[in-house]
Amino acid sequence: DQQVKQNSPSLSVQEGRISILNCDYTNSMFDYFLWYKKYPAEGPTFLISISSIKDKNEDGRFTVFLNKSAKHLSLHIVPSQPGDSAVYFCAVSRSSNTGKLIFGQGTTLQVKP
Amino acid sequence: NAGVTQTPKFQVLKTGQSMTLQCAQDMNHEYMSWYRQDPGMGLRLIHYSVGAGITDQGEVPNGYNVSRSTTEDFPLRLLSAAPSQTSVYFCASSYEGYTEAFFGQGTRLTVV
Repeated sequence: DQQVKQNSPSLSVQEGRISILNCDYTNSMFDYFLWYKKYPAEGPTFLISISSIKDKNEDGRFTVFLNKSAKHLSLHIVPSQPGDSAVYFCAVSRSSNTGKLIFGQGTTLQVKP
Repeated sequence: NAGVTQTPKFQVLKTGQSMTLQCAQDMNHEYMSWYRQDPGMGLRLIHYSVGAGITDQGEVPNGYNVSRSTTEDFPLRLLSAAPSQTSVYFCASSYEGYTEAFFGQGTRLTVV
């Protein structure tokens, strides 16, 4: 029973265009949401996060959107660059149940020059 | 600042052997956790700790033991390795537990 789903295993976009990665979760008790980026043979690195009191958070080229009613979050990368090619994981957590991040399966993004 | 350090980076075990994956962090984080990454499965939580002396099970704890005697270290023990434990293992630590976690470089384990 997967609590976090990233339904697109892969995504390919052209350099300079927008990349949109999606994530769905099942439990409305989750109140903190994160995106991680992972290059091969490295550990995941934190990218951006959002708490449930917001619906949007921006950091440079990266924006995360949260739709609580749909239990859906997305990551927008604009403009996409070849160096953004990596696996992206969404993760969810509960501020009342600390220590546990629950991850999705990941989406492999390829940005073509 | 080394961050989160995992050793070894690679390991091959025979079925039935035991070993300990080491994890150390120098950020004075209370929260530490172990994940395994398998193709198509994402990162699955094995065990986690909310402070020295306190551990709890995650999503896939069977076959693994942990203990937390110091804030810095959180070793993961495989008591009797099985081929199903072939995976990449990541250790992570965080300040608040539900926010940003810092990951180590991973240990690639193969059980034959």
